[in-house]
Amino acid sequence: EAGVTQFPSHSVIEKGQTVTLRCDPISGHDNLYWYRRVMGKEIKFLLHFVKESKQDESGMPNNRFLAERTGGTYSTLKVQPAELEDSGVYFCASRAFGSETQYFGPGTRLLVL
Amino acid sequence: GQQVMQIPQYQHVQEGEDFTTYCNSSTTLSNIQWYKQRPGGHPVFLIQLVKSGEVKKQKRLTFQFGEAKKNSSLHITATQTTDVGTYFCAVPNNYGQNFVFGPGTRLSVLP
Repeated sequence: EAGVTQFPSHSVIEKGQTVTLRCDPISGHDNLYWYRRVMGKEIKFLLHFVKESKQDESGMPNNRFLAERTGGTYSTLKVQPAELEDSGVYFCASRAFGSETQYFGPGTRLLVL
Repeated sequence: GQQVMQIPQYQHVQEGEDFTTYCNSSTTLSNIQWYKQRPGGHPVFLIQLVKSGEVKKQKRLTFQFGEAKKNSSLHITATQTTDVGTYFCAVPNNYGQNFVFGPGTRLSVLP
């Protein structure tokens, strides 16, 4: 069974540009999460999808961040326009209904210059 | 909101020594999870504890949930270089829908 995949693995952009991160969860997992880890600090929750619906987006930093999960399959996280403080590793995780286990993807390392 | 602390922040041990990290919550928890993240890797789920005073073992790892369900510990017996990484605890947020991660304990094992 394929795990959670994320694309791209790395992204280097300039301040003011737009970047879109993609997450493909494990097939059949209704729950999809986005997290961010900045400069080796704690892993911060961004938002949670159940299928295509946003269950909780309380962790989204501001309106420069937009997450979508059309069709309840893969998800995208767009940052527009990117700021220096957006740099970090963005992790996606998925979880099957009824299970407590979250499976994390390899992350996208974003560097905003 | 939900606050969770972990101590120590860093721990350096000699291979073969034991290691313990502690996770403390400001509120009573319904459950707690532990994750391990290797350098350059991604968090990997280790275990979930639910019952008061629960103790679970995975080979050299022992996980314990406090009687008051406000704290937990992860103990590694006879560390190996493969144990290197950051260990995170994660607790449900105030609404119980998602998890709040602790700041992590970074373990270094000297061969």
